[in-house]
Amino acid sequence: DAKTTQPPSMDCAEGRAANLPCNHSTISGNEYVYWYRQIHSQGPQYIIHGLKNNETNEMASLIITEDRKSSTLILPHATLRDTAVYYCIVRPYNTDKLIFGTGTRLQVFP
Amino acid sequence: DVKVTQSSRYLVKRTGEKVFLECVQDMDHENMFWYRQDPGLGLRLIYFSYDVKMKEKGDIPEGYSVSREKKERFSLILESASTNQTSMYLCASSYRGSGANVLTFGAGSRLTVL
Repeated sequence: DAKTTQPPSMDCAEGRAANLPCNHSTISGNEYVYWYRQIHSQGPQYIIHGLKNNETNEMASLIITEDRKSSTLILPHATLRDTAVYYCIVRPYNTDKLIFGTGTRLQVFP
Repeated sequence: DVKVTQSSRYLVKRTGEKVFLECVQDMDHENMFWYRQDPGLGLRLIYFSYDVKMKEKGDIPEGYSVSREKKERFSLILESASTNQTSMYLCASSYRGSGANVLTFGAGSRLTVL
């Protein structure tokens, strides 16, 4: 299974863009990249996913490099409510299981 | 609104007790999951079920069993609870085999074993 590597923590000023990196150098061609986040004391929440192309939704943008070995989740205008642990996950093509790592703790400050 | 409901938000049990953690989803999802979450270790998959009466071990199945008698319900069983099973337990569900495998999580059950 492809592993992901994320920095343990990051800070971001409120109103600025938060760019959360993820390395997945062993990803296979048909494996999706998913991002979830977990706000304190709640279950994780789906944010976005992608395969090859960049994706955008109402919550965030996902930028996947051309070689697919890394990706970046972008929160365009971070708010205090975006303070959470963010998980980058690669889903193996032959299973519906999602294996979470330890994620990146994003702290948005005023 | 779609929901995954975990029966107990907080439980306190004694060592050796049998513990049932219940999870119900109302989205007609085929897949259901049990994770545990501990500080510094992230979420770890205990068991996964992709259909009624079907189950698959996750990364840390030892000391746990599961039951899936109905599509909407997935139970996690600790046959003889131990203190190292004190943790936050999270249930999730999803559709099977779709490209967008979006998990919906419950609020979690915090179990303390004394």
